[in-house]
Amino acid sequence: EIVLTQSPATLSLSPGERATLSCRASQSISSYLAWFQQKPGQAPRLLIYDAFNRATGIPARFSGSGSGTDFTLTISSLEPEDFAVYYCQQRSMWPLTFGGGTKVEIK
Amino acid sequence: EVQLVESGGGLVQPGGSLRLSCVASGFIFNGYSMNWVRQAPGKGLEWVSYISISGSMIHYADSVKGRFTISRDNAMNALFLQMNSLRAEDTAVYYCARRLGDSGVCFDYWGQGTLVTVSS
Repeated sequence: EIVLTQSPATLSLSPGERATLSCRASQSISSYLAWFQQKPGQAPRLLIYDAFNRATGIPARFSGSGSGTDFTLTISSLEPEDFAVYYCQQRSMWPLTFGGGTKVEIK
Repeated sequence: EVQLVESGGGLVQPGGSLRLSCVASGFIFNGYSMNWVRQAPGKGLEWVSYISISGSMIHYADSVKGRFTISRDNAMNALFLQMNSLRAEDTAVYYCARRLGDSGVCFDYWGQGTLVTVSS
């Protein structure tokens, strides 16, 4: 099973600041990594697929990078609605797996 | 508008059974494979099961293998999860989520979830 390790667990930032979230895979997953945002009481929302492709309707302030085992989600300037939990997920190999999540909270 | 609507959750005793349903609308159901993903209270996301478009390929997480059965009815645009021998650790919100084709991008749309509580 491919283990995805997200860091940090919690990121405390102010609106307008840049957020950098990391996801590391236990073995190479090529570019088969997605990022999701989840707010309390809501289903997750797809932000980025295949490492760097923004999903439909996702603002340009969200960007993804990386390949192999190391991936990054960057939010260039945090908006109030961006404070949430973010998960990475791989589709390279069964079973599909998610990272443990990074909570982006207001400082 | 793409919609996935889950139902069938509820309170069940350990060892009991439940059948979850997910009805799809707003897209061509037989163009997408389907998945169940769960989230225990206050915890992260866990993929549970996958079924291909035709139903010929199925995968399960080890934690549910032998106890859960996924199925779909393309004529009814519906996805199911039969859950038997339920345990306390199966308590979670269960989401259905679609995947493009049989092996494409995962989880671009999710349902709102249905809560399963396993407790005596």
